[in-house]
Amino acid sequence: DAKTTQPNSMESNEEEPVHLPCNHSTISGTDYIHWYRQLPSQGPEYVIHGLTSNVNNRMASLAIAEDRKSSTLILHRATLRDAAVYYCIPTFSGNTPLVFGKGTRLSVIA
Amino acid sequence: DTAVSQTPKYLVTQMGNDKSIKCEQNLGHDTMYWYKQDSKKFLKIMFSYNNKELIINETVPNRFSPKSPDKAHLNLHINSLELGDSAVYFCASTNWDSSYEQYFGPGTRLTVT
Repeated sequence: DAKTTQPNSMESNEEEPVHLPCNHSTISGTDYIHWYRQLPSQGPEYVIHGLTSNVNNRMASLAIAEDRKSSTLILHRATLRDAAVYYCIPTFSGNTPLVFGKGTRLSVIA
Repeated sequence: DTAVSQTPKYLVTQMGNDKSIKCEQNLGHDTMYWYKQDSKKFLKIMFSYNNKELIINETVPNRFSPKSPDKAHLNLHINSLELGDSAVYFCASTNWDSSYEQYFGPGTRLTVT
């Protein structure tokens, strides 16, 4: 399993963009980069994933470094509901059991 | 409609008891998982089932016995509960061949006293 490094915590003002970084320098060439988040007292939920190209969906954008050793999850306008722990998880496929690290706890200030 | 549901949501019991947690998904998925989140908030895979067959058992004590009566259900039975079993247990599901994401249930908080 690829080792990941994420900041323990980050803070953002409401309605401002947030960039959540993740280092995964030992990622396998075939591993996708998945991002999940866990809202307080809830189960994790999928946010986005990508392999090499940058990806956008309704929740966020994912920017992947050209060497794939790092990625950044971008929330374009943080809301209070985005306060959660965010996990980046390199994994071969969606059915592979997820290996969660410590994640980044995002606080959003009104 | 809840996609992945778990019962009960809270479970408080004494050491040495036997208890079960149930999980049901209505997404038509063929693969289900149990994850454990301990007091330090680390989430770890316990079991993985595909088409009712156990495919992954991550060195979990044999006091834990998962059972999948059909593809929509994955239950977790725990014998002789210990203090260290206190945690939040999450069920998840996905489609083995066609899905890129796992859907998690709301969790069951187990407290062993």
